[in-house]
Amino acid sequence: AQKVTQAQTEISVVEKEDVTLDCVYETRDTTYYLFWYKQPPSGELVFLIRRNSFDEQNEISGRYSWNFQKSTSSFNFTITASQVVDSAVYFCALSEAGSSGDKLTFGTGTRLAVRP
Amino acid sequence: KAGVTQTPRYLIKTRGQQVTLSCSPISGHRSVSWYQQTPGQGLQFLFEYFSETQRNKGNFPGRFSGRQFSNSRSEMNVSTLELGDSALYLCASSLSGTMTLEQYFGPGTRLTVT
Repeated sequence: AQKVTQAQTEISVVEKEDVTLDCVYETRDTTYYLFWYKQPPSGELVFLIRRNSFDEQNEISGRYSWNFQKSTSSFNFTITASQVVDSAVYFCALSEAGSSGDKLTFGTGTRLAVRP
Repeated sequence: KAGVTQTPRYLIKTRGQQVTLSCSPISGHRSVSWYQQTPGQGLQFLFEYFSETQRNKGNFPGRFSGRQFSNSRSEMNVSTLELGDSALYLCASSLSGTMTLEQYFGPGTRLTVT
């Protein structure tokens, strides 16, 4: 069975600090997809990134960067120079390619509070 | 392009009643998935529909059901409501439902059961 663990329940940082959100996953499949979503107080999940299991290249998008390491089954997310608008709950999720159709397994989320 | 819409946004029901939630996917999207979010259990997959067929189902009792119409709009129904059904119900749509493309989520319907 697949599982996603986000050990950090809450993180509080001061604006402009860098912060890394951890994600560890478990799956028996060799082909799978990993995701990060942001959930602001409004409740809507906002897609941030999708990575397939064959692409271990790190990715940078503006202040966001992701580090995917299959050897440790981790897919960590770093926000550089955090801003108050980054305050939200962040979810890591996994989907196995073997499952028919869309089915995401989510971690429990990390609540990030960025203080001015 | 309009996003995923869910109606109603808020709902209050009494134990034992039933409820129907609606989801309109992004135009052209054929896959619709439903998720339940609660403080205790987090985000859990309910079911997924593609071309009016349920392709995937999570571990929820039979009181939770859904359907998809020919225009890809989807409804989920919960019968004999229990207090524990109070949650944010999120709907997501994608073009093909193969995980090669991202899912787009709606704002959710917050259901309160009293």
